[in-house]
Amino acid sequence: DVKVTQSSRYLVKRTGEKVFLECVQDMDHENMFWYRQDPGLGLRLIYFSYDVKMKEKGDIPEGYSVSREKKERFSLILESASTNQTSMYLCASSSPPGAGGTSYEQYFGPGTRLTVT
Amino acid sequence: QQQVKQSPQSLIVQKGGISIINCAYENTAFDYFPWYQQFPGKGPALLIAIRPDVSEKKEGRFTISFNKSAKQFSLHIMDSQPGDSATYFCAAKTNAGKSTFGDGTTLTVKP
Repeated sequence: DVKVTQSSRYLVKRTGEKVFLECVQDMDHENMFWYRQDPGLGLRLIYFSYDVKMKEKGDIPEGYSVSREKKERFSLILESASTNQTSMYLCASSSPPGAGGTSYEQYFGPGTRLTVT
Repeated sequence: QQQVKQSPQSLIVQKGGISIINCAYENTAFDYFPWYQQFPGKGPALLIAIRPDVSEKKEGRFTISFNKSAKQFSLHIMDSQPGDSATYFCAAKTNAGKSTFGDGTTLTVKP
């Protein structure tokens, strides 16, 4: 079974704090993604990574950065948390097409609900 | 600019009825159209997916209908059950690897 784990289920931080959200996958997937989920807005892509040390901006990268030092781990960093970053954050991983298994399927973690006060 | 539009936002269906959720897309470069199911407190999980070279795919009670010329696709849940109550997301993906998700539909199946 594919497993994507996120370091915290719930997190409360103060405005201006630096926040780290960690994600680990155990399927040796090349691709990893960070989304935020807000009611009525679906899933919006923040950043994604095709390989170690590689990253690309998604649709809403402002205020976020990422780090991928090891293949299995993808971190989302809020340099200076703000109240408008209160949200559910979802990590996902997938294999590239043709790599075996179900092409394109993304496996999601359980999410981290971040509250910034 | 929303590339995948999903409707309705919420849906209430009686047990045994048919649930239908619709999505429309703009980008003709999309080549993979998955549907994800999300239960409260869980991350989304792949339910069923289709590629644009087929018009329909069925897996058990779940069917995707795909209309390439209209750039629309829909999820049909036959014989809906209370256990199907969840949020459903359509998505569309290009071979560049990024997925674009719809806004989600909250389905409630009443016993």
